[in-house]
Amino acid sequence: DVKVTQSSRYLVKRTGEKVFLECVQDMDHENMFWYRQDPGLGLRLIYFSYDVKMKEKGDIPEGYSVSREKKERFSLILESASTNQTSMYLCASTETSGGLNNEQFFGPGTRLTVL
Amino acid sequence: AQTVTQSQPEMSVQEAETVTLSCTYDTSESDYYLFWYKQPPSRQMILVIRQEAYKQQNATENRFSVNFQKAAKSFSLKISDSQLGDAAMYFCAYRGSQGGSEKLVFGKGTKLTVNP
Repeated sequence: DVKVTQSSRYLVKRTGEKVFLECVQDMDHENMFWYRQDPGLGLRLIYFSYDVKMKEKGDIPEGYSVSREKKERFSLILESASTNQTSMYLCASTETSGGLNNEQFFGPGTRLTVL
Repeated sequence: AQTVTQSQPEMSVQEAETVTLSCTYDTSESDYYLFWYKQPPSRQMILVIRQEAYKQQNATENRFSVNFQKAAKSFSLKISDSQLGDAAMYFCAYRGSQGGSEKLVFGKGTKLTVNP
């Protein structure tokens, strides 16, 4: 069974803290994604990575950074957490399709609360 | 940039009945892929069904089918014989085929309630 796991289901942090969200996939996928999910806004792409040490900004990268040192692991970093970063964070992965309609596989999500 | 619009924030259906969720998108590409994802309460997002734009035949997966109207840029999801387990958020998503990008563009979602 394919699997994407995230380090925490629930996380509570203080304003100004540095926060690390970890995502691991066991499918040898090249591509990994971090999304933010907010009610009424759907899923918005923060960053994605198409290879080890490669990254590209998504639609809302401000206040976030990422790291991909190993193929299976993609980390989202909040350098200085703020209350407006309280949200559900979803990680996903997919292989490079070469034009095929491969699906993205999602992790269970991390609900982050910043106080 | 591509956009995906789901005009129904919430929908409800009686168990065993049929419901259709709407999705429209905007793109200048001729070749692309469309997806419906399901997110049950407190559970992981999973793929429900997918459609290649170059295929005229509508995709079907058991009780789930789509009505793909390429000219109208419409991609609706029909759920037949609705079950309580179908209650979830449903997201429509678009992926282009150019540039090798695997990025998905999501709609804002439709919350489906199934009434017993």
